[in-house]
This record gives sequence, structure tokens and C-alpha cells, in this order.
Amino acid sequence: GAGVSQSPSNKVTEKGKDVELRCDPISGHTALYWYRQSLGQGLEFLIYFQGNSAPDKSGLPSDRFSAERTGGSVSTLTIQRTQQEDSAVYLCASSWLYTDTQYFGPGTRLTVL
Amino acid sequence: DAKTTQPNSMESNEEEPVHLPCNHSTISGTDYIHWYRQLPSQGPEYVIHGLTSNVNNRMASLAIAEDRKSSTLILHRATLRDAAVYYCILRRDSGAGSYQLTFGKGTKLSVIP
Repeated sequence: GAGVSQSPSNKVTEKGKDVELRCDPISGHTALYWYRQSLGQGLEFLIYFQGNSAPDKSGLPSDRFSAERTGGSVSTLTIQRTQQEDSAVYLCASSWLYTDTQYFGPGTRLTVL
Repeated sequence: DAKTTQPNSMESNEEEPVHLPCNHSTISGTDYIHWYRQLPSQGPEYVIHGLTSNVNNRMASLAIAEDRKSSTLILHRATLRDAAVYYCILRRDSGAGSYQLTFGKGTKLSVIP
């Protein structure tokens, strides 16, 4: 079946602009996660959704970052007033339950000029 | 969080077995050992996981030391498609933060034709 999809695959923006990154999880998966991977680094956890609620937002690096999930499905990660240090690959994953195997999307590569 | 230690890189010849080690000396009784891998320009992909007993699946085998302080991911016959970064991750089965996957730097596996 269809895996996790993310859009756009690449995004180039200017410093100070807002960006929205989208994640379509696997149908029926209740848990959704956002991670960030900077060049040459491991993955950094950002936020976790169970259904539409986010029990843990502690990984969001600043208040410029926010995320929402509607209808227990699609999620949007928004970065306001982007900075150059926000440049990274943003990965989304989903799973049936929060302890299950996570299935990752291909990521969105964000470049802030 | 309990930490894992892996070699930065390893090389293998094509069609030969590969043993990827992981040390996790501070593992607790409720920690599962998970392995994910990340092919170039892709999101991470689940490989295998286990608790105490050795595990086999179509992708790999996982050998867990009797004291659980180390484990080895075994690829029985490396192919060029197995060239990736392999991450060894400890995951609690419940409780706060157990939904997170905490990625380190992993082991970059190169496969030589």
C-alpha cells in the first residue's frame, strides 16, 4: 500500500519567510512524528501526535515552530520567520500505536538562504 | 536515555556477511533493541528489533548478548543496495518518551563490488 508521503520534496526560501511542510501518514496510523536531520547528523525528535493531539511538543526548537494534525490524518509543520539554522531535512513518520515500528516518509529538504 | 555506541563506518565486500556491532551497556530491562537503516537521500527504514532472544527476518538477523549489553546486526549476504547508515536504538516499551526514536550517528556501511 501507499507509504508516508511528504510535500514538497524540496523547499528553498529566504530568511524571514514562513514555510509549511506537509505529511500524509499511512492510512489508519494513529501516531505521527516529526523529526529533523541536519547535514551529517542523526535525527532530532520534534513532536509526536496521537490522533489530533500532541502530548509532547518538547522537541520543537523554538516558538517559531508549530505543528497541527487534522482529522487524525494529515499533519502540517509550520516554521515562521525562517532562519538559516532551520535548513535541514524534515522527516515525518507514522505508526499504528506509539510503540510500534515507525514508517518514515522521504523527507522535505528545506534550504533557507 | 540509555545510549548506544557504534563504529562510525565499516566496509564489506559484496555477497559477504556483515556484522554490525552495537554496545548498550546501560540498557534497562524494558528496553527493546531496534535497528533502522537510512539509504542515501531516503528516510530511515525499520530493519529488525528484539528484547532478549536472537531474531531473524527477511532482511537480517539480530544477535543479542546474554547480558544484553551488546548486540550485532547480521546481514547474511551484503548487496550494493545495503550500503546505508545503520542505527542501533534502544526503545522503552512504555512510559514517557517511549514514542521517540533517539538516533545517534550510526554506522555508515560501504559495500565494495
